[in-house]
Amino acid sequence: GQNIDQPTEMTATEGAIVQINCTYQTSGFNGLFWYQQHAGEAPTFLSYNVLDGLEEKGRFSSFLSRSKGYSYLLLKELQMKDSASYLCAALDSNYQLIWGAGTKLIIKP
Amino acid sequence: NAGVTQTPKFQVLKTGQSMTLQCAQDMNHEYMSWYRQDPGMGLRLIHYSVGAGITDQGEVPNGYNVSRSTTEDFPLRLLSAAPSQTSVYFCASSQGGVDGANVLTFGAGSRLTVL
Repeated sequence: GQNIDQPTEMTATEGAIVQINCTYQTSGFNGLFWYQQHAGEAPTFLSYNVLDGLEEKGRFSSFLSRSKGYSYLLLKELQMKDSASYLCAALDSNYQLIWGAGTKLIIKP
Repeated sequence: NAGVTQTPKFQVLKTGQSMTLQCAQDMNHEYMSWYRQDPGMGLRLIHYSVGAGITDQGEVPNGYNVSRSTTEDFPLRLLSAAPSQTSVYFCASSQGGVDGANVLTFGAGSRLTVL
């Protein structure tokens, strides 16, 4: 079956760096998305990776290893507003999104 | 631009009642979809549409109907509500399909409780 695994919850300190991991098993693969979702709000797009390597976008970076079925989202210089859930989603061979349950990130001052 | 607009934001139903969740987008997106989000689970696709007059089932379509008579609107109908349909529902759209060039824009969500 198809599956996405990511940690349920993580805690980090304001100003620090945190890495949120995601492993996926899908029927075929056409890319991996990261979305951010603040409590009670809609998910918003953060990044998309389809080739191996690191994509950097300001304080946020996303990494993909297709051979390992693995991705991570790296958040630097954490701010209180980064407290949110981070959703990992893989695109399978039929261009259907398979979503993880999300990682709730708690930022402490 | 308003983006993706969902109504209502909150709704309480009794078992067996029917209702329609409205979704409208003003971005001229061809692709529209409905998801439900439950605690401890990933978003699950209910129905989707790749254009006016075309709809298809997603992962969890039972108990729900959709139609797409215009590019802008994609209502989700609950035919006979059940407690298992208590969830947060999101409408999402994209320019065309889902890939790196067509990311999803989500509505603010509709929280439905079925008693």
